[in-house]
Amino acid sequence: SAVISQKPSRDICQRGTSLTIQCQVDSQVTMMFWYRQQPGQSLTLIATANQGSEATYESGFVIDKFPISRPNLTFSTLTVSNMSPEDSSIYLCSVRGGSYEQYFGPGTRLTVT
Amino acid sequence: SQELEQSPQSLIVQEGKNLTINCTSSKTLYGLYWYKQKYGEGLIFLMMLQKGGEEKSHEKITAKLDEKKQQSSLHITASQPSHAGIYLCGAERNTDKLIFGTGTRLQVFP
Repeated sequence: SAVISQKPSRDICQRGTSLTIQCQVDSQVTMMFWYRQQPGQSLTLIATANQGSEATYESGFVIDKFPISRPNLTFSTLTVSNMSPEDSSIYLCSVRGGSYEQYFGPGTRLTVT
Repeated sequence: SQELEQSPQSLIVQEGKNLTINCTSSKTLYGLYWYKQKYGEGLIFLMMLQKGGEEKSHEKITAKLDEKKQQSSLHITASQPSHAGIYLCGAERNTDKLIFGTGTRLQVFP
């Protein structure tokens, strides 16, 4: 299994500002994913981040709004830019293990006022 | 419509009772994942099923994937308050990405 940590665990931000969320894994992984969970909803994939290549974004998500970095095999960041109240969600990073199991971090709860 | 349907949406059971949660897809699945989420927190990996007819158990939780690989069930035996939370099924198609069901909110009362 993989142990994943995220920072910050929660934050309250003003609209128009940006927040960078960090994801750290205790082992090297090729594939990392970023998900969003809006209040009362299920998870939606934002993008896939592979080390050494540009992140691949899902329909409805763009790099200008959610820039992602993946500098090495154990770390990634997701930035939520120019935030609005609609961005209030839990943001989760996830990794695929060697046996195809997929693990999730504890999440970052973001509230935009 | 949702690609992955879960039922029921919510469940309230008395401690000690058995319960079943279903996850149905209109398409064949390459993999089916079950997670538990405490309210407002991250997802706890429960089990992954890949083969048609596969069944896995962990403590009092058993998950099955049907032969056609389009439906999975999660069964909890002798439920306890610690089982309360939101149960999510995630499906892998022909990529490495997971899509998620709508979730089942489980409450267990003494």
